[in-house]
Amino acid sequence: ETGVTQTPRHLVMGMTNKKSLKCEQHLGHNAMYWYKQSAKKPLELMFVYNFKEQTENNSVPSRFSPECPNSSHLFLHLHTLQPEDSALYLCASSLDGLAAKYFGPGTRLTVT
Amino acid sequence: GQQLNQSPQSMFIQEGEDVSMNCTSSSIFNTWLWYKQEPGEGPVLLIALYKAGELTSNGRLTAQFGITRKDSFLNISASIPSDVGIYFCAGNAGNNRKLIWGLGTSLAVNP
Repeated sequence: ETGVTQTPRHLVMGMTNKKSLKCEQHLGHNAMYWYKQSAKKPLELMFVYNFKEQTENNSVPSRFSPECPNSSHLFLHLHTLQPEDSALYLCASSLDGLAAKYFGPGTRLTVT
Repeated sequence: GQQLNQSPQSMFIQEGEDVSMNCTSSSIFNTWLWYKQEPGEGPVLLIALYKAGELTSNGRLTAQFGITRKDSFLNISASIPSDVGIYFCAGNAGNNRKLIWGLGTSLAVNP
């Protein structure tokens, strides 16, 4: 039990669909992160929020839109994705926003 | 983008054996982190290192922050089947908060 939950665990969507990934942390942390994990590649940081403010956008295409309504919840809104966006999307949190410490189980996304 | 060199890429060992893996960077790091990821799960933080030369243990796991600040090592003693997974190193340099990640070492343990 890591204290970071993600839903859904699996998602299959067409390129014209709109869907959202949800992350919730129960650790009282102030920073939350979205990462993309693809085979044969290092983890890619996508977004960082610290005290609900976005502090990093790592040149992510606009078809990915994050939302952080409070320090415990983080969303990733998806629209008009491409097949190459298929990957494991991981949410993480940390107390101080310096580096992701605790990861959720991820959402396995397949874009058809 | 920048990445760490993590080796070996994979290991297949017998239960009870000790395991060593390492990460090297071309630049000086301030922090080294070691994670383990099991199938269907996210990475779990095992050990965090913040000072050159630091040696930290977590059960049968021991990690060291290299004195050059460009490398780190993870050792697992007396491996057991539940040690199976992918071990990642990550670190950051200077004032950059962004973690740089290795590609992982896949560990298989034969009971």
